[in-house]
Amino acid sequence: DAMVIQNPRYQVTQFGKPVTLSCSQTLNHNVMYWYQQKSSQAPKLLFHYYDKDFNNEADTPDNFQSRRPNTSFCFLDIRSPGLGDAAMYLCATQKTGTAKIYGYTFGSGTRLTVV
Amino acid sequence: AQSVTQLGSHVSVSEGALVLLRCNYSSSVPPYLFWYVQYPNQGLQLLLKYTSAATLVKGINGFEAEFKKSETSFHLTKPSAHMSDAAEYFCAVSSYGGATNKLIFGTGTLLAVQP
Repeated sequence: DAMVIQNPRYQVTQFGKPVTLSCSQTLNHNVMYWYQQKSSQAPKLLFHYYDKDFNNEADTPDNFQSRRPNTSFCFLDIRSPGLGDAAMYLCATQKTGTAKIYGYTFGSGTRLTVV
Repeated sequence: AQSVTQLGSHVSVSEGALVLLRCNYSSSVPPYLFWYVQYPNQGLQLLLKYTSAATLVKGINGFEAEFKKSETSFHLTKPSAHMSDAAEYFCAVSSYGGATNKLIFGTGTLLAVQP
């Protein structure tokens, strides 16, 4: 089935050690989003790509970067993870102009632990 | 700016009882509204959506929601709770404002179902 796949499901990284989370999709959607969800909180949008155009949220820390080498893949890089970055990271995709019909399609998330 | 408010961070019902999860929205333009469900350590799954068609929206797993403009509400209901309904539920709002549509989430309601 077409879907959004996030790898790995669980990631443990050391304080200050760079880490990369990946997201792939077979839906051929042109918009991809990264959300951060801390325990018992709502998902918070970090940034999104519209095709190759990168759109950063104003309050996203510089420590968070993203790459989208092609339509299917999007990566979240955390350059120097701190304890406060421990969270579930959710990737979502959207076909342009269809949010009012289909909403987003979410992956299963990556649970990041910082030790 | 758009926002949603979910009243009650925790709701507990007995199996077979009515489920009512409350969501109020704020939007200066006609909103698109969504309910998502999240099971532990999973991504978000779309339950239902309101996109300015019928005000009573039916979704998956027996859930439905009614859009009430006069009350700025979009409450989620299910006539008879199942043990499998225990999860976290997020209300979200979006606007159709160009190529991409940001989803703004409420803080979530954790539903417990007692046997």
